[in-house]
Amino acid sequence: GESVGLHLPTLSVQEGDNSIINCAYSNSASDYFIWYKQESGKGPQFIIDIRSNMDKRQGQRVTVLLNKTVKHLSLQIAATQPGDSAVYFCADPSGSARQLTFGSGTQLTVLP
Amino acid sequence: EAGVAQSPRYKIIEKRQSVAFWCNPISGHATLYWYQQILGQGPKLLIQFQNNGVVDDSQLPKDRFSAERLKGVDSTLKIQPAKLEDSAVYLCASSTSGGSSPLHFGNGTRLTVT
Repeated sequence: GESVGLHLPTLSVQEGDNSIINCAYSNSASDYFIWYKQESGKGPQFIIDIRSNMDKRQGQRVTVLLNKTVKHLSLQIAATQPGDSAVYFCADPSGSARQLTFGSGTQLTVLP
Repeated sequence: EAGVAQSPRYKIIEKRQSVAFWCNPISGHATLYWYQQILGQGPKLLIQFQNNGVVDDSQLPKDRFSAERLKGVDSTLKIQPAKLEDSAVYLCASSTSGGSSPLHFGNGTRLTVT
């Protein structure tokens, strides 16, 4: 089964609002997590990653929070823009050879 | 830095025909992956190469799928014979150091089997 899974398959937010996309993982030994953004017709694009020795990491308009106690991570997008509309995946190298395993994705729709 | 290149972009074939996809990873990336992404799902790993050796092919349907990475650079993925359920986007990705660094994906080949 999946090592990582997203909570909601779809999320709609108003332009300018903040977005929060959640992800749960099952393997307590997971030590590295990556968020990807996939626009229609394109391959997944790396957004941000976080290692398990951190609780929070910030990028440009994005923040990832990691809660190891409840095995949960979230991606926060500040001031969501129309260009943020895409499917977002969390992933972790949970395979035996540290293969990257993807969740099912959350479709983010930005409303005007 | 040039990204991961894949071709063709689209392919339509009839069931039982064969098809091949090509991938050129980012220069210097030792690890190469092929993923299958069915509509509405996350990518699923088919095979992982480290240089020209196979690290994991446990989810590759070996009765019909094959992949090679000659000389540790370019890679090809072949399906023979294709089935209707093989309709998907086939994504190639590369990374510098396996599961401890981000994967960089190409835009994929969309395969339709009729």
